[in-house]
Amino acid sequence: NAGVTQTPKFQVLKTGQSMTLQCAQDMNHNSMYWYRQDPGMGLRLIYYSASEGTTDKGEVPNGYNVSRLNKREFSLRLESAAPSQTSVYFCASSEAVAALGYGYTFGSGTRLTVV
Amino acid sequence: AQSVTQLDSHVSVSEGTPVLLRCNYSSSYSPSLFWYVQHPNKGLQLLLKYTSAATLVKGINGFEAEFKKSETSFHLTKPSAHMSDAAEYFCAYASGGSYIPTFGRGTSLIVHP
Repeated sequence: NAGVTQTPKFQVLKTGQSMTLQCAQDMNHNSMYWYRQDPGMGLRLIYYSASEGTTDKGEVPNGYNVSRLNKREFSLRLESAAPSQTSVYFCASSEAVAALGYGYTFGSGTRLTVV
Repeated sequence: AQSVTQLDSHVSVSEGTPVLLRCNYSSSYSPSLFWYVQHPNKGLQLLLKYTSAATLVKGINGFEAEFKKSETSFHLTKPSAHMSDAAEYFCAYASGGSYIPTFGRGTSLIVHP
């Protein structure tokens, strides 16, 4: 019962470096999401994928790209990291849309520091 | 646009006393409402959800929430706080026409011995 698995758990990057955050779910969920969590800001949606083969921008997409590799996996890429991207990143998945009452299952997070 | 407001950024209670965490949402004909809990250095976990069935919803760990349409509220309660309840709590809301839920800013629950 792994649920949503995120890797890595911790990462330190230098400004300008690139990296990919990995996320995989084993619940056969259709929808997947990437959020960032900053103190006092709550959760902010970066990108989401309603179903395999589709991706859409969320509230704060600038500086990020995503790939829905297959139904299980949804990756987040930082092409040129900036200190403003220092945050905790959460991947989540759901069976279907929240408006129909489907809650999210969250991963344990990736703590990213950009120096 | 849909919005959700958690009325308290911090709530402090003594162990064994009742817990009340407040959440208000923007009006919607058919809202879906959720409460999540986040323990330190962990991901969020779904506590309970309301989806137009019973107005009093029971969740895990003794928590429950009551949907009040007239007040556009979905407050989270627990009769008796336990030390292990100390965490951050998030209310989330999705209106009938939206795909993505809106999360509140969170309420930090502090439990004193």
